[in-house]
Amino acid sequence: AQKVTQAQTEISVVEKEDVTLDCVYETRDTTYYLFWYKQPPSGELVFLIRRNSFDEQNEISGRYSWNFQKSTSSFNFTITASQVVDSAVYFCALSEALIAAGNKLTFGGGTRVLVKP
Amino acid sequence: ETGVTQTPRHLVMGMTNKKSLKCEQHLGHNAMYWYKQSAKKPLELMFVYNFKEQTENNSVPSRFSPECPNSSHLFLHLHTLQPEDSALYLCASSQDRVNIQYFGAGTRLSVL
Repeated sequence: AQKVTQAQTEISVVEKEDVTLDCVYETRDTTYYLFWYKQPPSGELVFLIRRNSFDEQNEISGRYSWNFQKSTSSFNFTITASQVVDSAVYFCALSEALIAAGNKLTFGGGTRVLVKP
Repeated sequence: ETGVTQTPRHLVMGMTNKKSLKCEQHLGHNAMYWYKQSAKKPLELMFVYNFKEQTENNSVPSRFSPECPNSSHLFLHLHTLQPEDSALYLCASSQDRVNIQYFGAGTRLSVL
């Protein structure tokens, strides 16, 4: 069975501070995808990134960066120089990469980030 | 305008009512999903439709009845719900079953 754990339930920072969100996953699959989604107060989940299990390169997109470490089954997310608009709940998720398995996302419990001005 | 639209955004219903949630996607996708997000549990997948055919029912009680008349529309028919069914119901779509899922803003349901 797949499992995603986000140990931090809530993080509070002051604007311009960096914040790192932890994500640890469990799966028996050799091929899988990892995701991060953002859920602002409006409710919709906004897709941020998808990473294939064979691609362990870290990625940077603007103020966002992701650190994938297969050896520790972690896919951490860092927001650099946080802004008030970054306040949201962030979800890490996992899915199998095989078409036959469908596209079932297993979500972590989410981490609420509060950025104070 | 978002790619996935859900209506209504908020719904309050009694335990004996019958109501329906609607989801429409404007992305040309062929797979659609219903998820339940409640306060005490992680996001839970409820149903998956691929090319209008249901491919996944995650042991959802029969008081929730999905309908997918075409690849752009997905409904969730509700009847005789329980207070514990109060939650945010999210719809998503993807190009196929292995592609990125894009979500709507959800329907906040309260069952009294």
